[in-house]
Order: sequence, then C-alpha cells, then structure tokens
Amino acid sequence: DQQVKQNSPSLSVQEGRISILNCDYTNSMFDYFLWYKKYPAEGPTFLISISSIKDKNEDGRFTVFLNKSAKHLSLHIVPSQPGDSAVYFCAASDGRVNNDMRFGAGTRLTVKP
Amino acid sequence: DAGVTQSPTHLIKTRGQQVTLRCSPKSGHDTVSWYQQALGQGPQFIFQYYEEEERQRGNFPDRFSGHQFPNYSSELNVNALLLGDSALYLCASSQRGSDTQYFGPGTRLTVL
Repeated sequence: DQQVKQNSPSLSVQEGRISILNCDYTNSMFDYFLWYKKYPAEGPTFLISISSIKDKNEDGRFTVFLNKSAKHLSLHIVPSQPGDSAVYFCAASDGRVNNDMRFGAGTRLTVKP
Repeated sequence: DAGVTQSPTHLIKTRGQQVTLRCSPKSGHDTVSWYQQALGQGPQFIFQYYEEEERQRGNFPDRFSGHQFPNYSSELNVNALLLGDSALYLCASSQRGSDTQYFGPGTRLTVL
C-alpha cells in the first residue's frame, strides 16, 4: 500500500532557481512529515520536518509546506545549488515518537550549473 | 562523533541461506529501526527495537528477525533467503522521544 507518493521520479532545475518537490499522502492519521536527502552509496540524511500543527517550516534555503486538507506537502529549495543534486524522499508517520515511517519512492533532483 | 555504522557494506548470498546484518547506532541513541530499500523504491519499515525488545513491526514475514544488545547495537537476521530479498538494508537510530531518525550507509544484499 502506497500511503506516501512522490509522483515525479525526477526534476531538473537550473542553479539559482527554485526547486519544488511534491509529496502526497493518503493516511489522515499521519501527523509528522520529514524530508530526507540521499546521495549515492550513502544512507538518507535528515533534511527538514514538519508537524501537522504547522503549515510551514523553514530552515535556511529549505522550506516545507503542508496542506492537510489536500494531504499534500512540498519542499522548496531556494536558491538551488549543484550540491543539492540527490534523491529526495518524503516520509510520514502517525505518531511522533519513533513510529514506523512510510516513505515515498523518491524524486531525483538534478541542479544544473 | 561516529554516526550510524553498518556492516558489512556488501553481501552476496544464495537462495535458502541465512544472513545477519549489523548496526551500531549513533552515540546517545537507544532506538534502532531497520528498513529495506528495493531498487527504485523508498525505504520500507521492517521493525524497531528499543530496550532490547521489538516494539513495532512492518509488513514483513517472520523470516525477518532482529535483536538489540545492551549497548544498543542491533542485528537483522533473514532466514531462507529469496531472490526478492535483494535490496539495500538501512539501519536508523534515534533517541527515544526524538522525532528524527538518522540513517547508516546501508548494507547491499544480493541473493543469487
């Protein structure tokens, strides 16, 4: 069962522009959402998270937006840099404390110089 | 401060064999979760260990079992390997009460 979906397998963006990665979920019990970045031959690295009580969380160049009514979240990267090129995974859980996370299939972001 | 470490890096087994993968959590972390990532997919939750007990389990058969030791390190065991068990196995650690899990580099298992 695919409770978390990332419908775009890949995204290509010019350096300096905005990257927008999207994620949809179906389980209304999810109340905590995370984005992970993964480089080849490495494990996923935590990037940013958001609780369902918020609709926006910002950390430097990274902002996550949550639209609970649409069961949709997005990650904005501004400005995009070539070092941001990686696979980005969206994850969600239905309890904040270490419950199992459900991951999307990932979106491969390529930032061109 | 060492992050999450996993061993071995790569492993090749044949169908029907058994395998043990190992994970050392990040310093200060007491909870370990295991994930299976098949090619082209996101990680899938296998189970989570805390205080040496399995606390949560995903949709995986009993062939997948684990253990957590008093020093919080953990093992993942898979019996009667199938071709479909070929995947990257990721270990993630966290501190109980924390929202974020930190991943190791993974063990790439190939079943022939």
